[in-house]
Amino acid sequence: AQSVTQPDIHITVSEGASLELRCNYSYGATPYLFWYVQSPGQGLQLLLKYFSGDTLVQGIKGFEAEFKRSQSSFNLRKPSVHWSDAAEYFCAVGAPTFQKLVFGTGTRLLVSP
Amino acid sequence: DGGITQSPKYLFRKEGQNVTLSCEQNLNHDAMYWYRQDPGQGLRLIYYSQIVNDFQKGDIAEGYSVSREKKESFPLTVTSAQKNPTAFYLCASSMRGAEAFFGQGTRLTVV
Repeated sequence: AQSVTQPDIHITVSEGASLELRCNYSYGATPYLFWYVQSPGQGLQLLLKYFSGDTLVQGIKGFEAEFKRSQSSFNLRKPSVHWSDAAEYFCAVGAPTFQKLVFGTGTRLLVSP
Repeated sequence: DGGITQSPKYLFRKEGQNVTLSCEQNLNHDAMYWYRQDPGQGLRLIYYSQIVNDFQKGDIAEGYSVSREKKESFPLTVTSAQKNPTAFYLCASSMRGAEAFFGQGTRLTVV
C-alpha cells in the first residue's frame, strides 16, 4: 500500500537559518508529490507539487523541493526561514490511479528568534 | 473566485444532536473529501466521493454520514453516534490523483 513518512514530528529552526523537512514515500511507480502548509485554525495551502520533469520544484513563499527517485524522497527546503514560516507542513503522494491523496502525519516547524 | 467553501467556521453541538457541516466547491472537481484533525494529529479521512451519488468510507467513518447529490456539494453530518466529535473538520476537492484544494475548516465543539 502507498504510504508517506515524515520522520520529524517537530523541528525548531532559528530565524534566518536554512530549513529541510523530510518526506519519504512508498509507491511502486513515479508518484505525484505535494507539500502543504497549515497555519493554526486554517485549511491546508499547497506550497508546491511534482508531477514529472525537472526534479527540483519551486513553490510559493520561497520554498523548493527535490524529488529523488533513488531515495523515494521529496524533501522540502528553504534557504532562510522567517518567523511567519512557523506552521505545520504536510507531504502527500498521489497518482492517476489513486482515489485519494495519501498524507504524511505532518511536521510542526517552530522558528526561534 | 474559484474555491472551496466550508460553513460554518465554528459550530457547537449539544449531546445527542446531529449537526451538518457544509462544503461547496466551484472548481468543477470530481472528487471531494472530508478529513478530521485533532490537536497534534495529522489528517484522518472520514469519507470521500469520486462522483455524484457515490461515496466511500474512509478510515474513521463511524458516527458520520455524507451525501453527494450535486457535484458542487458534499455535506457531512456528525451523528449522535459519534462519541467524541469535538475536532477540526476539513473539506477538500480535487481532480483524480491531482492536488487537493482545502476549505478553511469548521471547528466543532460539543457543549
